[in-house]
Amino acid sequence: GAGVSQSPSNKVTEKGKDVELRCDPISGHTALYWYRQSLGQGLEFLIYFQGNSAPDKSGLPSDRFSAERTGGSVSTLTIQRTQQEDSAVYLCASSLAKGTAQETQYFGPGTRLLVL
Amino acid sequence: AQKVTQAQTEISVVEKEDVTLDCVYETRDTTYYLFWYKQPPSGELVFLIRRNSFDEQNEISGRYSWNFQKSTSSFNFTITASQVVDSAVYFCALRSGGGADGLTFGKGTHLIIQP
Repeated sequence: GAGVSQSPSNKVTEKGKDVELRCDPISGHTALYWYRQSLGQGLEFLIYFQGNSAPDKSGLPSDRFSAERTGGSVSTLTIQRTQQEDSAVYLCASSLAKGTAQETQYFGPGTRLLVL
Repeated sequence: AQKVTQAQTEISVVEKEDVTLDCVYETRDTTYYLFWYKQPPSGELVFLIRRNSFDEQNEISGRYSWNFQKSTSSFNFTITASQVVDSAVYFCALRSGGGADGLTFGKGTHLIIQP
C-alpha cells in the first residue's frame, strides 16, 4: 500500500466501552500524527510521534485517550470508557521527518467512530 | 496561539466560474508553513500545496493558484474555470517552524460547483 492506512473504517460502540484505532503510516515516514474531525470542533490535532521519541500528550482531549507507537511504525489510539462526545472521525497522517515542520503530512481515510 | 480563519463557510458557483477561497492566519512565529488540503465527499484529506513563510512567491498549478501575502497574513486559493469535480471542502492549515505540534486547521470552506 502506498498511502496511510487506518482500521477499522467504521466503529460503532456502546458508551463506556474501550476502543482501539490503528494507523499504518507510509513506508519510510518516521513522523505520525493523530487528528480528530467532528462537526462541532472541526479538525483538531491530538498527538504527534517523531520516530521513537516520547510524544507530547498535551493535545489529547482527556486522560481517557492514549496513543502508542510500536517499533517506530504502526500506531494505536485507544479511547477508554468512551463517551458520546468522542463520536468523530479519527484521522492519522504521516510525514518524512527530515525537515520536520515543513514536511507535508499525508492523511489516511480515517476511522469513523460512533458512540451510542 | 496560532489560528486559521476561513470566513467563507460555503460557496456555490456555476461551473466554469472562477472562485477564490480565503484564508487568514495568525501566528507569532517568524518561520511557519501554510498548507491547503481538499476533502472530497469520500472523506480523505488530499494535500494540494505547501508554502514556507520566507517564500512569498505565488504559485500556479493548472487551474489552481495560490496568493500568499505576509503583509495581510493571507494565503488565498483560486480555482479558475471551476469544474464539478472541484466540489469539496477545502481546508487551510498552519504549522509553526518549531514543529512541536501538528497542523492548525481552519474550519474549512465547502465549495459547491453546480453544472
